[in-house]
Amino acid sequence: AQSVAQPEDQVNVAEGNPLTVKCTYSVSGNPYLFWYVQYPNRGLQFLLKYITGDNLVKGSYGFEAEFNKSQTSFHLKKPSALVSDSALYFCAVRDDGNKLVFGAGTILRVKS
Amino acid sequence: GAVVSQHPSWVICKSGTSVKIECRSLDFQATTMFWYRQFPKQSLMLMATSNEGSKATYEQGVEKDKFLINHASLTLSTLTVTSAHPEDSSFYICSARERESGYGYTFGSGTRLTVV
Repeated sequence: AQSVAQPEDQVNVAEGNPLTVKCTYSVSGNPYLFWYVQYPNRGLQFLLKYITGDNLVKGSYGFEAEFNKSQTSFHLKKPSALVSDSALYFCAVRDDGNKLVFGAGTILRVKS
Repeated sequence: GAVVSQHPSWVICKSGTSVKIECRSLDFQATTMFWYRQFPKQSLMLMATSNEGSKATYEQGVEKDKFLINHASLTLSTLTVTSAHPEDSSFYICSARERESGYGYTFGSGTRLTVV
């Protein structure tokens, strides 16, 4: 079965510093990977996805993610964090039934 | 981009009553709609998957008679929580899978249900 793991419950970073939110995956076959962000009492906003092609995927709001097949990772990154980036981030993988399987989520806190 | 409109954004109801939540895909056809439930500070739990014109497929442990899902058209899906109880209080989110733009997934803004 497809699954993703987000090993960090929370990530703290200072404004202006680079940020990384980690995600590892376990799939049979080719992985379809996604990152979403959720603000309080809101739905999920799409950030980026990896289907095939370049390992470095660029997404919304300056975020990017690097697909690493050997390490089965798909970490979310941003060169310079903003306070407004503080939110809950979910990594997800599409399973065989076209359903998204989500990680537990990582709270990102950016302090000024 | 694709937008899914979810209503209401919040609702308070009395125990024993039913509540309907609507999700409409704007400007695209949602071949598949997913319904999730999210508890505070937790991940999304898939409740059911519905395809237009067919019966919903429920995940294990989800009561299909309690959470009625209808997907009568390619742009509208509804979730009805029947005979609601306080333990049904939660955040419910829909997600539409769009056919036209590479089968991405677009989420509604969520509904906060409080049963008193």
